[in-house]
This record gives sequence, structure tokens and C-alpha cells, in this order.
Amino acid sequence: GAVVSQHPSWVICKSGTSVKIECRSLDFQATTMFWYRQFPKQSLMLMATSNEGSKATYEQGVEKDKFLINHASLTLSTLTVTSAHPEDSSFYICSASNIAGNTIYFGEGSWLTVV
Amino acid sequence: EDQVTQSPEALRLQEGESSSLNCSYTVSGLRGLFWYRQDPGKGPEFLFTLYSAGEEKEKERLKATLTKKESFLHITAPKPEDSATYLCAVHIGGSEKLVFGKGTKLTVNP
Repeated sequence: GAVVSQHPSWVICKSGTSVKIECRSLDFQATTMFWYRQFPKQSLMLMATSNEGSKATYEQGVEKDKFLINHASLTLSTLTVTSAHPEDSSFYICSASNIAGNTIYFGEGSWLTVV
Repeated sequence: EDQVTQSPEALRLQEGESSSLNCSYTVSGLRGLFWYRQDPGKGPEFLFTLYSAGEEKEKERLKATLTKKESFLHITAPKPEDSATYLCAVHIGGSEKLVFGKGTKLTVNP
């Protein structure tokens, strides 16, 4: 069964509103979680690395004020897309690393459509 | 610069026709190499982690091997349900990040 759960699986929001996506590790404590974005027929693009209890580290070109990441506990990280625009429509995927760092599991992904 | 290159980009096989997917890497310090399977519209599904040259791991029809420069994902007697995109990623020493290849899209025809 899934060891990393994402919610919601898909969401439609109006342009200008904010939407929150949750990522939970179910069977293990994840000190580090990652957020990716994937465009059709392309590989995963890392957006940010999230460490429990500290600020996320964003990749170059990713707006930290637009993509707010919170990792408040060892089992939950959230990505909030603020003031969403149609170009933010994409497939967002999280992953979680166990404490040993030897296994990295991915969530099922969340489809965001901004209309 | 750390790089991961997967080949071929796409592969079509007949059911039962064995083949291999390649992942070559140029990284500053390999901490682990991961293989994932991704179905359309879903998140990647973990398959294997390999750590050192010479290591092999198997799962059903899949076997992953690792050398100092590349990894192979061998698929034996594939079935249509093995059709997916297979992603290779390397975990670099000193970093929490995975560096992904662009994937190989495998199609197995019945």
C-alpha cells in the first residue's frame, strides 16, 4: 500500500485563489520531503526541499512567496500555491525520505487546474 | 555538473521479448541509485535502490544492476502490464536531492 499519501488527488481553483496540497508519510517519519512539478511527457522538476522544523530550500527559479511550503511535523508537509494563475496548472508530486535516507517514496501526485 | 542520462527514450517490445534499459550517470559522489516506475497521471513507484558497483536486485521480471558509470534495468519476458515510464535517479553525497533522468517509456505489445 501507499506509504506517502497526497491530498487532494486533483483540484480545480479559480485564478487568484490559493490552494493547499498535503503530503503525508504513513508508515515512517520523514525528516525530509521534496516537492516536484511535472509537465506532460517530461521528467520531474524539483521545486523545493523541505526539512521538518526549518525553512524549505527552493530551487533556482522557483518563487518562494508563490509556492509556500510548511513541514510542521515528521509526517506532514504542505505546499500552498498562492494567487494561482492558469500557468500554475500542473501535476505536483511530493516525496519523502526516511531517516536513514536509503528509501525515497513518492506520493500519487496532485493535479491542479487553475481556471 | 551532475548528470543522469537514460536510453533509449522510448522502447517498444513484444510480449516475452526481453531487453534492458540504460541509465548512465556522471556525479560527484554517488550515494545511491534509484529506479522508479511511473504510470501516466500517477506518482513514481519505488522499485530499487542500488549503492555500490556490482550490486544487483530483482523484483519479479525486473533486475537492476549497477557499475561505476551506469545502471541497467533488465526486463525478462515482459508483459503488457509492464508498460510504463521507468525513471532512474541518483542520490548524491552531501545532498538530499535526487537527480532524475528523463525516463524511458516502455511499451509492451501483446
